[in-house]
Amino acid sequence: SQTIHQWPATLVQPVGSPLSLECTVEGTSNPNLYWYRQAAGRGLQLLFYSVGIGQISSEVPQNLSASRPQDRQFILSSKKLLLSDSGFYLCAWSLGSKNTIYFGEGSWLTVV
Amino acid sequence: QKEVEQNSGPLSVPEGAIASLNCTYSDRGSQSFFWYRQYSGKSPELIMFIYSNGDKEDGRFTAQLNKASQYVSLLIRDSQPSDSATYLCAFRESNFGNEKLTFGTGTRLTIIP
Repeated sequence: SQTIHQWPATLVQPVGSPLSLECTVEGTSNPNLYWYRQAAGRGLQLLFYSVGIGQISSEVPQNLSASRPQDRQFILSSKKLLLSDSGFYLCAWSLGSKNTIYFGEGSWLTVV
Repeated sequence: QKEVEQNSGPLSVPEGAIASLNCTYSDRGSQSFFWYRQYSGKSPELIMFIYSNGDKEDGRFTAQLNKASQYVSLLIRDSQPSDSATYLCAFRESNFGNEKLTFGTGTRLTIIP
């Protein structure tokens, strides 16, 4: 069966510091991969999605970036965090464009 | 901007009763609809998906889809305290090649023992 893991689970970072969140999927090949953010009291916002290695689509302009160095690995990064980057970050995967999206455990980011 | 509208709640339902959660969406061409449950502090987990007009049942859960009215609902029968959570409605946008799943902000459901 397929599993998805992301880490770290929680982190507190100062404004202006870098960020790296990592996500891996096991048990499948060539998944679609996603990064969502859920700010307090708000809905899930799609940040990035990827349909293959090196292929990244960005949904919203921001100081975040994403990379997919391997088939089942998806990384969310920032060079300099802002207070507004605080939130619950969720990695997710699906097989093809018609299939259900499944979420990882999530990463709580607090920028102070 | 394609959207999903949900009543944020909170919706309070007595234990054993039927909980009814509703959602409207703006993308008339969308073919795929999803309900996720999210416990506080946790990631969303899939409850059901529905593609065709009508009802789809899975245990105590029934999803209902009306494409003409752009309306999807989730019924939870015999509500249990463990059903207390936020329920997210989502649809897959119909644009060709668009991989985006758009979520509502969720309805917070509380089951009262």
